[in-house]
Amino acid sequence: EVQLVETGGGLVQPGRSLKLSCVVSGFTFNNYWMSWTRQAPGKGLEWVASITNSGGSTYYPDSVKGRFTFSRDNAQNTLYLQMNSLRSEDTATYYCTRVRTGYFDYWGQGVMVTVSS
Amino acid sequence: DIQMTQSPSSLPASLGERVTISCRASQGISNNLNWYQQKPDGTIKPLIYYTSNLQSGVPSRFSGSGSGTNYSLTITSLEPEDFAIYYCQQDASFPPTFGSGTKLEIK
Repeated sequence: EVQLVETGGGLVQPGRSLKLSCVVSGFTFNNYWMSWTRQAPGKGLEWVASITNSGGSTYYPDSVKGRFTFSRDNAQNTLYLQMNSLRSEDTATYYCTRVRTGYFDYWGQGVMVTVSS
Repeated sequence: DIQMTQSPSSLPASLGERVTISCRASQGISNNLNWYQQKPDGTIKPLIYYTSNLQSGVPSRFSGSGSGTNYSLTITSLEPEDFAIYYCQQDASFPPTFGSGTKLEIK
């Protein structure tokens, strides 16, 4: 059974940092690209980051580029999203997703990040 | 970026009814259109990929169609568990983008 479990969320002050993790199981991790997608309270879904199966390349939208860093440890079946210089608009539930040719075919349960003073 | 426009934003419907949700892309996306369902607890379930292919385990009352810039999700004979929010998403080009969602509500 495929499982994706996110951890690391919480309340953080504007300008500070937070690191999310996602531990996956049930599939050959290093065969797949992975992504993070977020949802602000009461809003729709927004893609946040993608990483290739090797971890050699990462992709971000302009809204987080330069502030967020997506990485993976294929030996530990774990993803990391380092979020720096957090803003109130980064407040959201963050979902870890598996990618199959652009389709997000498995999702974690989500982890909440609140940026507030 | 490709903009995805969903309609309606809210759709009241009754059990057993057939409903259709529309999704329009700002440019052609060559059938690279996916659908997701979000339940009130936040759980997101993939439903359909590449316009019309059902994710494993998704009931056959769900179907997708479309081409070019216009796509749709149809649910025949609504069941109680179908009342949720539905999102379309294009993966024709980076960045992947989502529609704003359609909330399927009990009438």
